[in-house]
Amino acid sequence: DAKTTQPNSMESNEEEPVHLPCNHSTISGTDYIHWYRQLPSQGPEYVIHGLTSNVNNRMASLAIAEDRKSSTLILHRATLRDAAVYYCILRDGGGSNYKLTFGKGTLLTVNP
Amino acid sequence: ETGVTQTPRHLVMGMTNKKSLKCEQHLGHNAMYWYKQSAKKPLELMFVYSLEERVENNSVPSRFSPECPNSSHLFLHLHTLQPEDSALYLCASSQRVTGELFFGEGSRLTVL
Repeated sequence: DAKTTQPNSMESNEEEPVHLPCNHSTISGTDYIHWYRQLPSQGPEYVIHGLTSNVNNRMASLAIAEDRKSSTLILHRATLRDAAVYYCILRDGGGSNYKLTFGKGTLLTVNP
Repeated sequence: ETGVTQTPRHLVMGMTNKKSLKCEQHLGHNAMYWYKQSAKKPLELMFVYSLEERVENNSVPSRFSPECPNSSHLFLHLHTLQPEDSALYLCASSQRVTGELFFGEGSRLTVL
């Protein structure tokens, strides 16, 4: 799997936007960018994914750089429930690589 | 309700015991996964099943034995484990092997 690089930790205040960065300079043309998060004492949860264009869903937005070598997960208004470890992962959309490899992720702390 | 149910949630076993972890998905998916999460380490992929056929065994010791009797159920049979096998074992499913993963809440295993 192509590798991603994320900050170990970030801190935010409640009701403020949060921008979680991810670098993936070795991304290939068929790699999708996936984000998952893991709340304390729970299994990981799918957040969002994209290929080239920016994506929005009810949980978050994903902004993808034009060269696709980096991306940013945006939480528009952080809540205390958003405190979690956020994982940025590349997934081959070509169909042959089914391994979803998790790194250490970014631990997001949300202050009241 | 995540759609993926794991039992038991907590398990304590001795090194000579034989036990099993069970996973059931209610999402109509055709791929299922076992991941291991040890303290302060990234999630490690153990096994992948697609259409009830094992497609990945990520160099897992033989004391872990998976079983997938149908597309909705996945088991992990445990025997003669070591204390270092103590971890959170997470089950996941996806619509296809490259789709988004839906995780259960995990089974916390302690080996004495």
